[in-house]
Amino acid sequence: DADVTQTPRNRITKTGKRIMLECSQTKGHDRMYWYRQDPGLGLRLIYYSFDVKDINKGEISDGYSVSRQAQAKFSLSLESAIPNQTALYFCATSDPGTERGELFFGEGSRLTVL
Amino acid sequence: AQKVTQAQTEISVVEKEDVTLDCVYETRDTTYYLFWYKQPPSGELVFLIRRNSFDEQNEISGRYSWNFQKSTSSFNFTITASQVVDSAVYFCALSEMDSSYKLIFGSGTRLLVRP
Repeated sequence: DADVTQTPRNRITKTGKRIMLECSQTKGHDRMYWYRQDPGLGLRLIYYSFDVKDINKGEISDGYSVSRQAQAKFSLSLESAIPNQTALYFCATSDPGTERGELFFGEGSRLTVL
Repeated sequence: AQKVTQAQTEISVVEKEDVTLDCVYETRDTTYYLFWYKQPPSGELVFLIRRNSFDEQNEISGRYSWNFQKSTSSFNFTITASQVVDSAVYFCALSEMDSSYKLIFGSGTRLLVRP
């Protein structure tokens, strides 16, 4: 089983709908991240969390919200999806105690907003 | 502000050719980490290498090698004797020594290796 699991893997929705992407990890890492990938733009950070009480905005947080329900769970919500939020979304974790800076990624969630 | 530039959007080579993917970074920090990730057509992100700013020694891993030069702020990646399975998007990334551990990614280089 994957150490970082994202659900759903693929989702098609309509403009205005609320969408939640979920991420769970078994790595025991405190730090979790949500990135968005768009063609030609690489990966951009949406939100990150150091623990359940510490949530931080990344460079493109507008239109998104997150919830850290537990150390192992970090969800990304789109309250009212719009077409330019069509992208591939990645959850990631890291461990400050060991591999400095290395992110461990989930398999990605492809979201299409019509 | 930190920035990673991968000027090559797409590269196409014939199998067995050598290919170098360029990465140029900007940071004010003297201590930082650089990474390369591979994204094959299946979409997952595969960690390839991490290098800290104090270690300029080049690294070789099989057909892969990395050339880190602080003087030119570059961290280039060379694949020797490329294979079709090397076809992927490759991302270079930078992590500064703040508490967030967040990575700043380049826009990626798509490598197509033709048989």
